[in-house]
Amino acid sequence: EVQLQQSGPEVGRPGSSVKISCKASGYTFTDYVMNWVKQSPGQGLEWIGWIDPEYGSTDYAEKFKKKATLTADTSSSTAYIQLSSLTSEDTATYFCARDTMGITPFAYWGQGTLVTVSS
Amino acid sequence: DIVMTQGALPNPVPSGESASITCQSSKSLLHSNGKTYLNWYLQRPGQSPQFLIYWMSTRASGVSDRFSGSGSGTDFTLKISRVEAEDVGVYYCQQDLEFPLTFGSGTKLEIK
Repeated sequence: EVQLQQSGPEVGRPGSSVKISCKASGYTFTDYVMNWVKQSPGQGLEWIGWIDPEYGSTDYAEKFKKKATLTADTSSSTAYIQLSSLTSEDTATYFCARDTMGITPFAYWGQGTLVTVSS
Repeated sequence: DIVMTQGALPNPVPSGESASITCQSSKSLLHSNGKTYLNWYLQRPGQSPQFLIYWMSTRASGVSDRFSGSGSGTDFTLKISRVEAEDVGVYYCQQDLEFPLTFGSGTKLEIK
């Protein structure tokens, strides 16, 4: 069974950074791309970007290119997203989501991690 | 970027009735390979989204046949037959014809 287990809620000060993890199990981590999605409070879904864990290659939506950094550790089957220079606009729930090649980029979802930016 | 626009539902929908959710894309999602790259997801209250339909009309594994997708290159419909309490939540359409991947703003389904 595919499972994506995300790390717990984070509180970050304005201007600081946070790093969220997404531990994958139930499949070969390097076989599938991992996507990240943002959901602001009471709002819809925004795609942040993807990472190919096998090669470390990434792509980002334009608005997140200076905000998010995606990485992956194949030894622990864990994907990460780091959010930098936090502002109140970054307060949101962040989801990792695994693709299914050629079918959908968001076949399996993590439970989400709430990031709150507060001084 | 491809803009996805979703319509609203006349909530609440009586249990056992049908509900149709509309979605429009600013660009045709029909690929030259014949597939239409439009997906549907349901986000139940307090949960992560779950994958329902891909290629506009193909149900994901384990999804009830009460859910059906249809449409053209730019206009799409998700029909839910005989709505049940477990169908409550927000439905999102999403295109993966090209990057950046984009979602509609969501359509809320409430049941009476």
